[in-house]
Amino acid sequence: DTEVTQTPKHLVMGMTNKKSLKCEQHMGHRAMYWYKQKAKKPPELMFVYSYEKLSINESVPSRFSPECPNSSLLNLHLHALQPEDSALYLCASSQGGGPYEQYFGPGTRLTVT
Amino acid sequence: AQRVTQPEKLLSVFKGAPVELKCNYSYSGSPELFWYVQYSRQRLQLLLRHISRESIKGFTADLNKGETSFHLKKPFAQEEDSAMYYCGRSQGNLIFGKGTKLSVKP
Repeated sequence: DTEVTQTPKHLVMGMTNKKSLKCEQHMGHRAMYWYKQKAKKPPELMFVYSYEKLSINESVPSRFSPECPNSSLLNLHLHALQPEDSALYLCASSQGGGPYEQYFGPGTRLTVT
Repeated sequence: AQRVTQPEKLLSVFKGAPVELKCNYSYSGSPELFWYVQYSRQRLQLLLRHISRESIKGFTADLNKGETSFHLKKPFAQEEDSAMYYCGRSQGNLIFGKGTKLSVKP
């Protein structure tokens, strides 16, 4: 299996809701990433997990909370989001942290109302 | 701070014409440079990385340390090359340029 899968594909949530985005890979990769991509913009790194430990947090607001339950799974817990958080959220994985090819999932399109 | 600059937002060429997508990076140590491509309704995927020095789908990219550039080239563009192209630099994190939308007209 050489794909990164993400669920759900689309998510609409209110500002008081709590929801989670899920990402899974079965390539044995030890680094996993969350990116945020606004329309017509490049992906912006949010978090990096390396060997199931959070190694990079790019000053992301605490209303986004990542979790890596095991080496194949990555979650992003969302709470009290703002409309400006509406974006495509991409998950990626790579062999390790550093200059390895990253494999991207299809993304979750999030709309905050 | 690391920077990757893609000066063209949009590049439009005719089928069969040569294409060059520009990428410049800020110099700091030994860069690891990549080109990623996003076709319509498909996920972002790696096209090329400079250390592999290979040609994928007819595209090549040469690292020019003197000019701090990593331009993507193809001698004869095809309609199926139409996509969003991102130059990226990794030194731990992967930093993307703003992207260039390539449109190949029939």
